[in-house]
Amino acid sequence: KQEVTQIPAALSVPEGENLVLNCSFTDSAIYNLQWFRQDPGKGLTSLLLIQSSQREQTSGRLNASLDKSSGRSTLYIAASQPGDSATYLCAVRGSGGYQKVTFGTGTKLQVIP
Amino acid sequence: GAGVSQSPSNKVTEKGKDVELRCDPISGHTALYWYRQSLGQGLEFLIYFQGNSAPDKSGLPSDRFSAERTGGSVSTLTIQRTQQEDSAVYLCASSLWTAYRDRESEAFFGQGTRLTVV
Repeated sequence: KQEVTQIPAALSVPEGENLVLNCSFTDSAIYNLQWFRQDPGKGLTSLLLIQSSQREQTSGRLNASLDKSSGRSTLYIAASQPGDSATYLCAVRGSGGYQKVTFGTGTKLQVIP
Repeated sequence: GAGVSQSPSNKVTEKGKDVELRCDPISGHTALYWYRQSLGQGLEFLIYFQGNSAPDKSGLPSDRFSAERTGGSVSTLTIQRTQQEDSAVYLCASSLWTAYRDRESEAFFGQGTRLTVV
């Protein structure tokens, strides 16, 4: 059974800092890994998707890396802004069967102006 | 539509009543997921549909919960005899399923239905 863990559970940083969010998964047989952002009372917004054959993906100030063999992914946010405050979730899609998507526990980020 | 649509956006119901939550996935997306997010908690998987069939119902918390999908499109999640612990945001996601493993399969989420049982 796939288990996805995110550390830290909560993070508070001053504006302008670079930061790293961590995601680890127990079963390396994955199809892809996706990072989402969730704002309070809202749905999930997809940020980046990394295929199992890829090592990283970049979008603006965001960079996500994937080390499938060690079961880890990181989301790097450069020059953080107050608007980045949200809960960040990683989700792993399995490569077997129907490719079930398993979500991590989330990291709640607060960027202080 | 352009995205995953869920209705209603908010639902307040009395304990013991039945409720139906609706999800309209992105057109052409054959995979559909239901998740539940209780206050301060992570996302809890409920059920997965591939087309109209549900190969994984393992996340349904009790027999009061059921879901169906018709025409490979719209899905409804039904909660019978609602309890206060059913209060949560119910999220639906869809993705394009393909047998070609090298195709992307990004999941798109709706805005959710906030269910409050009083």
